[in-house]
Amino acid sequence: AQKITQTQPGMFVQEKEAVTLDCTYDTSDPSYGLFWYKQPSSGEMIFLIYQGSYDQQNATEGRYSLNFQKARKSANLVISASQLGDSAMYFCAPGENTDKLIFGTGTRLQVFP
Amino acid sequence: NAGVTQTPKFRILKIGQSMTLQCTQDMNHNYMYWYRQDPGMGLKLIYYSVGAGITDKGEVPNGYNVSRSTTEDFPLRLELAAPSQTSVYFCASARGQGPYEQYFGPGTRLTVT
Repeated sequence: AQKITQTQPGMFVQEKEAVTLDCTYDTSDPSYGLFWYKQPSSGEMIFLIYQGSYDQQNATEGRYSLNFQKARKSANLVISASQLGDSAMYFCAPGENTDKLIFGTGTRLQVFP
Repeated sequence: NAGVTQTPKFRILKIGQSMTLQCTQDMNHNYMYWYRQDPGMGLKLIYYSVGAGITDKGEVPNGYNVSRSTTEDFPLRLELAAPSQTSVYFCASARGQGPYEQYFGPGTRLTVT
């Protein structure tokens, strides 16, 4: 079974600063995808960014980017220029063949002025 | 565009009662999923479906049943509710395998007392 580790239960960052949220995973499947989702206090799950295991470049999506280190099985989410609205839970979710996602326990990010 | 809709939003059940959580998507997605999220935790997969008539167990299927008679609908049945099934339930859909994000419904908050 896959194991996903998000070692930071809580993170604080000042507005306009960058923050990195860690995620490591354990999979034996050479073909997998890695998703990050945001869950604000309202409860909905919002897709942020995706990285495929065979992608040559780190994924980027606006202010979100992934620091993908395949050999270390690490896919850290970098949020640049943090905004107050970024305060939320962030979940890393790898998926073998990406038809079943396994979610980590999440990191709670709080952005302060 | 409605996306993924779930009903009801909230429900309180007594121990031993049964209920069906409804999920409908209007994006013609083949893949649909049911997750539960316990307080302070990530999402755990209950059941999923890769198309009408095809369902399979996820990580925590005990105490639940599903059916998929149409592409649009994927109801989750709770039989003999137990306090351990108190959770927030999310339905999601995806276009298919591969780099396709899962679109989530707003969730159903279920309390079993």
